Amino acid sequence: LAKTTQPISMDSYEGQEVNITCSHNNIATNDYITWYQQFPSQGPRFIIQGYKTKVTNEVASLFIPADRKSSTLSLPRVSLSDTAVYYCLVPSSGGSYIPTFGRGTSLIVHP
Amino acid sequence: GAVVSQHPSWVICKSGTSVKIECRSLDFQATTMFWYRQFPKQSLMLMATSNEGSKATYEQGVEKDKFLINHASLTLSTLTVTSAHPEDSSFYICSARDTYGQYYTFGSGTRLTVV
Repeated sequence: LAKTTQPISMDSYEGQEVNITCSHNNIATNDYITWYQQFPSQGPRFIIQGYKTKVTNEVASLFIPADRKSSTLSLPRVSLSDTAVYYCLVPSSGGSYIPTFGRGTSLIVHP
Repeated sequence: GAVVSQHPSWVICKSGTSVKIECRSLDFQATTMFWYRQFPKQSLMLMATSNEGSKATYEQGVEKDKFLINHASLTLSTLTVTSAHPEDSSFYICSARDTYGQYYTFGSGTRLTVV
């Protein structure tokens, strides 16, 4: 099972760029890396997904190095509403894709 | 995109009663759904994998007789908390991945409070 490790918490200020890195040393060849955002008392919400190099969408960018043992979620110009918990997900269990969550990163954006 | 609907969003029940939580995939078919439990300020803990037309697979330490899972169709999975006790109070979340999708979609969660 691909285990993920992230910083427990991060602080930032409005307008800054935030980068959250996730380690997944035993990622399998077929695994995609997916990032989710969760607000209190809500289910996780999909942010971005990638397999290698760089992926960008309207809300974030995802950087994945060649060895794919880590990934970095980049949130440009954060606002107060980006305060949430962010999880990277690398589901894999011997070919049966089981989404198991790590501890996630609690991001607090200050005014 | 794929949408997973979960109901109810919150429920309060008396100790000893049973509560059913529904998870529906609205615009796709889900042969596999997942059920999680989340305590305050903690991560999501996988409880079980729900497979359409077959028995659910429970994670170690999760009582299958207490948390009954039924996945009778490709769009509906239910979790029934039987003989609920205050320690079962938690936030329950379901998830599904459609056949062609590459990521998992989550329901909005159910806040269960047992009094």
